[in-house]
Amino acid sequence: NAGVMQNPRHLVRRRGQEARLRCSPMKGHSHVYWYRQLPEEGLKFMVYLQKENIIDESGMPKERFSAEFPKEGPSILRIQQVVRGDSAAYFCASSPTDLYEQYFGPGTRLTVT
Amino acid sequence: SQKIEQNSEALNIQEGKTATLTCNYTNYSPAYLQWYRQDPGRGPVFLLLIRENEKEKRKERLKVTFDTTLKQSLFHITASQPADSATYLCALDGAVTGGGNKLTFGTGTQLKVEL
Repeated sequence: NAGVMQNPRHLVRRRGQEARLRCSPMKGHSHVYWYRQLPEEGLKFMVYLQKENIIDESGMPKERFSAEFPKEGPSILRIQQVVRGDSAAYFCASSPTDLYEQYFGPGTRLTVT
Repeated sequence: SQKIEQNSEALNIQEGKTATLTCNYTNYSPAYLQWYRQDPGRGPVFLLLIRENEKEKRKERLKVTFDTTLKQSLFHITASQPADSATYLCALDGAVTGGGNKLTFGTGTQLKVEL
């Protein structure tokens, strides 16, 4: 059973470009979470999604960031007009229900130049 | 405001000893608490979950305690090995954070087990 998959693993973008991060949850998991880890800081919750629904986006910046989890295909975290402060590791996690532990992917390391 | 504190200083111990890591929280009423391990450049890996009505939980060489009165969890690794060297994260979920599903993580404690 494959784990949570994220791609790309590393992404370099110039300021003002768009970044698209993809996450495929574990098989059978319908809950997806995105977290951001800034250098020397802890993991911060961004958004929680179920298939076709955003359940909680309280941790996501109101501007430039969006997330989706379509009926078919991976979950996408999209960052428009990236700035240097967006440089971080972005982790996706999935769980089979909303009461259990979360399984994390390897992360996407975004560098904005 | 809600706060989770873990020892910010790295913990160095000798192989074979028991490592004890601390997680303290304020302004929370978590339904459960989780511990994760994170290696450099990798995503966190789930280790143990303990519910608010459980005092202690064990898994192989790992033991977690949860004291909701002290608002503290202790994480123990017995007979530690160099392979246990990693950063250990405490995470909480509960009504105060909005309920259900999002985890709030501490900044982690780095453990180094030396030969």
